[in-house]
Amino acid sequence: QITLKESGPTLVKPTQTLTLTCTFSGFSLSSGGVAVAWIRQPPGKALEWLALIYWNDDKHYSSSLKSRLTITKDTSKNQVVLTLTNMDPVDTATYYCVRGPWYYADWGQGILVTVSS
Amino acid sequence: DVQMTQSPSSVSASVGDTVIITCRASQDISTWVAWYQQKPGKAPNLLIYSASSVQSGVPSRFSGSGSGTDFSLTISSLQPEDFATYYCQEANTFPPTFGQGTKVEVK
Repeated sequence: QITLKESGPTLVKPTQTLTLTCTFSGFSLSSGGVAVAWIRQPPGKALEWLALIYWNDDKHYSSSLKSRLTITKDTSKNQVVLTLTNMDPVDTATYYCVRGPWYYADWGQGILVTVSS
Repeated sequence: DVQMTQSPSSVSASVGDTVIITCRASQDISTWVAWYQQKPGKAPNLLIYSASSVQSGVPSRFSGSGSGTDFSLTISSLQPEDFATYYCQEANTFPPTFGQGTKVEVK
């Protein structure tokens, strides 16, 4: 059974850096072809793809957020970490981690992150 | 980035109706399209991948079609549990992009 779970702060202040951790089980990020991605959804709005990391450490980012995003993995801990710098109220959203790389059948429950002073 | 234009943004329908949702890609993406269903407060659920392949466990009333730039999701004989928001997603190039969503509401 594949599970993913997001963890991190639920409230951050403007200009701060958000660090989210995805802890997963049921698959290994050391296996060829495997990837984990992050997707977010502002309240009442559409899904937005953010970043993805492959088993071989290849990484891809959203074009519009590339300068602010970093994705890393810790294979031994079955974790993927996403950082988003210079947070703004428009970054308020539910952040999901998913098993990739292209079609997302496995999702975490999501974590609502609110940006407010 | 590939743009996915999804329509309609909302549709009112009754149980038993057939609902068709469309997505148009800004460039040829072959059959690299997925469709998701999302209910309030829940993560999206993968329905269709590779434009027409039905994900395991998804009822057969859901079907997908299309290739190139034009794609559609058809829900035949709409059931009460199908009232939800639906999203298309292109999977041809990085970064993948989603449509803006279609809310299927009770008529």
